[in-house]
Amino acid sequence: AQKVTQAQTEISVVEKEDVTLDCVYETRDTTYYLFWYKQPPSGELVFLIRRNSFDEQNEISGRYSWNFQKSTSSFNFTITASQVVDSAVYFCALSGNRDDKIIFGKGTRLHILP
Amino acid sequence: DTAVSQTPKYLVTQMGNDKSIKCEQNLGHDTMYWYKQDSKKFLKIMFSYNNKELIINETVPNRFSPKSPDKAHLNLHINSLELGDSAVYFCASSQGGGLAGAYEQYFGPGTRLTVT
Repeated sequence: AQKVTQAQTEISVVEKEDVTLDCVYETRDTTYYLFWYKQPPSGELVFLIRRNSFDEQNEISGRYSWNFQKSTSSFNFTITASQVVDSAVYFCALSGNRDDKIIFGKGTRLHILP
Repeated sequence: DTAVSQTPKYLVTQMGNDKSIKCEQNLGHDTMYWYKQDSKKFLKIMFSYNNKELIINETVPNRFSPKSPDKAHLNLHINSLELGDSAVYFCASSQGGGLAGAYEQYFGPGTRLTVT
């Protein structure tokens, strides 16, 4: 069975601090895909990144970076120099190569305090 | 141009009623989905359609019936609404379909359903 665990239910940091959101996954598939989505207070779900299991290179996009480590089954997300606009619920998600079903973690609610 | 749109955005109705939520995507994607997000923000897939064919049907009560008139539209009809159906329902679409592997999904703005 596939599973995504986001152990941090809620995190609060002061603006400009760096923050890392943890994601641990379980799957028996050798080919799989990992995602992060952002859900700001307005409610929409915004795609951030997709990573396949064969690509363990870390990814950086502006203040966002992702650390994928197959050895620990983790796909962590770091926001550098956080801003109030980063306040949102962040979801990590997993999909195998057998269907398009994406399994979402329970989300981490991130509060960036001014 | 809205990529994935849903109507209505809010839906308040009484128990026992039947209601529909409409979804349209203009991305040219082959696959569309319905998700339910409960009050604790937990997101769970309900259905997926690929080119009008039902691909994923999770353990959803048969009061919920998806309908896909064409690959750009996926509507959700709910019969005999219950209090527990109150949630936010998201439509999504993606490039891939069936056993093609996973592609990122693009979500609509959500429909907040409140059953009283």
